[in-house]
Amino acid sequence: AQSVTQPDIHITVSEGASLELRCNYSYGATPYLFWYVQSPGQGLQLLLKYFSGDTLVQGIKGFEAEFKRSQSSFNLRKPSVHWSDAAEYFCAVGARTTDSWGKLQFGAGTQVVVTP
Amino acid sequence: IAGITQAPTSQILAAGRRMTLRCTQDMRHNAMYWYRQDLGLGLRLIHYSNTAGTTGKGEVPDGYSVSRANTDDFPLTLASAVPSQTSVYFCASSRGLSDTDTQYFGPGTRLTVL
Repeated sequence: AQSVTQPDIHITVSEGASLELRCNYSYGATPYLFWYVQSPGQGLQLLLKYFSGDTLVQGIKGFEAEFKRSQSSFNLRKPSVHWSDAAEYFCAVGARTTDSWGKLQFGAGTQVVVTP
Repeated sequence: IAGITQAPTSQILAAGRRMTLRCTQDMRHNAMYWYRQDLGLGLRLIHYSNTAGTTGKGEVPDGYSVSRANTDDFPLTLASAVPSQTSVYFCASSRGLSDTDTQYFGPGTRLTVL
């Protein structure tokens, strides 16, 4: 079964500074990988996803993520954060088998606080 | 605006009571899901449905049931609520039939069981 770990529970970053959120996964083959964002009181919104091909994936709101097979990682980055980026971020992994179809495994989430 | 609606927004419920959380999507998606979100645990899949008329168990199905009578609706029922079912519940949908399909989430229902 697949699993995903987000090592950082909470990150504080200054507005305008860069942001990197870590995500490590465990899966026997190449997984499907997703990053979702949850603003306070809202549902989850997809930022970006990786299925195959180019390992650097561009998403919405200026985010990007890089799939590194050797490190089993899919870290999320943004060069310059805005106050509106304050939210909780979830990494998720999906398996490439019919038994696991649609069953995403979510990490515990990373809460991002943006200071002025 | 197309999307997923959930009702109620929040609910306080006495233990032992029956409760149905409603979820409706208007995107004609084949697949629908129910997750619960708990602090420090992320989202965990409760039940899912690949298409109308079929359902399947997720990671934490005990104490919950679902039905999928049509494409649009996917209600989640707690037959006899217990305090450990206090959580935020999210319904999601995807076009379906492929792991590459994006899951779209509703705004959630905050349930407190006393």
